[in-house]
Amino acid sequence: QVRLQQSGPGLVKPSQTLSLTCAISGDSVSSKGAAWNWIRQSPSRGLEWLGKTYYRSKWYNDYAVSVKSRITINPDISKNQFSLQLNSVTPDDTAVYYCARGLAASSYGMDVWGQGSTVTVSS
Amino acid sequence: DIQMTQSPSSLSASVGDRVTITCRASQTISSFLNWYQQKPGKAPQLLTYAASTLQTGVPSRFSGSRSGTDFTLTISSLQAEDSATYYCQQSYSLSRTFGQGTKVEIK
Repeated sequence: QVRLQQSGPGLVKPSQTLSLTCAISGDSVSSKGAAWNWIRQSPSRGLEWLGKTYYRSKWYNDYAVSVKSRITINPDISKNQFSLQLNSVTPDDTAVYYCARGLAASSYGMDVWGQGSTVTVSS
Repeated sequence: DIQMTQSPSSLSASVGDRVTITCRASQTISSFLNWYQQKPGKAPQLLTYAASTLQTGVPSRFSGSRSGTDFTLTISSLQAEDSATYYCQQSYSLSRTFGQGTKVEIK
């Protein structure tokens, strides 16, 4: 059974960097049949896809235009996890953040999700 | 970015009713359309993928269909436990996008 376990601080100061980690069990971050996503949700934005990382003989990343200048998603093969870094945060980045697996076999529908991390941006 | 427009934004129906939710893509996405159910305080759960394939373990009263760039999620006989918000999401482009959601309430 695949599980995703999220970790990271719940409070970040404005202008600082938001960092979250998603630990994978039951699958591999290097799987050629999966993509590893970050999504966030807030009342004002609804569900917003932020980006993904995936391995297809080399590593690829795709990011949403809305955060492209501020976001980095990195795989960590040694720990079988992937991370989200969002720079220069503002209160508008306050949201529940999720990691999720997109599976090629299910048309990249996101079939496994982390538990969610509530992140508040405030001084 | 591909825009996904859902309708209605909310609906109220009785147990046993047939419920239909629509999602329209701003451009062709072939059949790369997924539907999710989300209950309060929980992560979204995949219901269908590739427009019409039911995810393992999802009740057969849920079904999806496609007509061009219009997609439909149907609940054939609404149950009390189906009270939730439903989202569509396209996986056609490298940059994924979600619809704004449809809240389904039980009368």
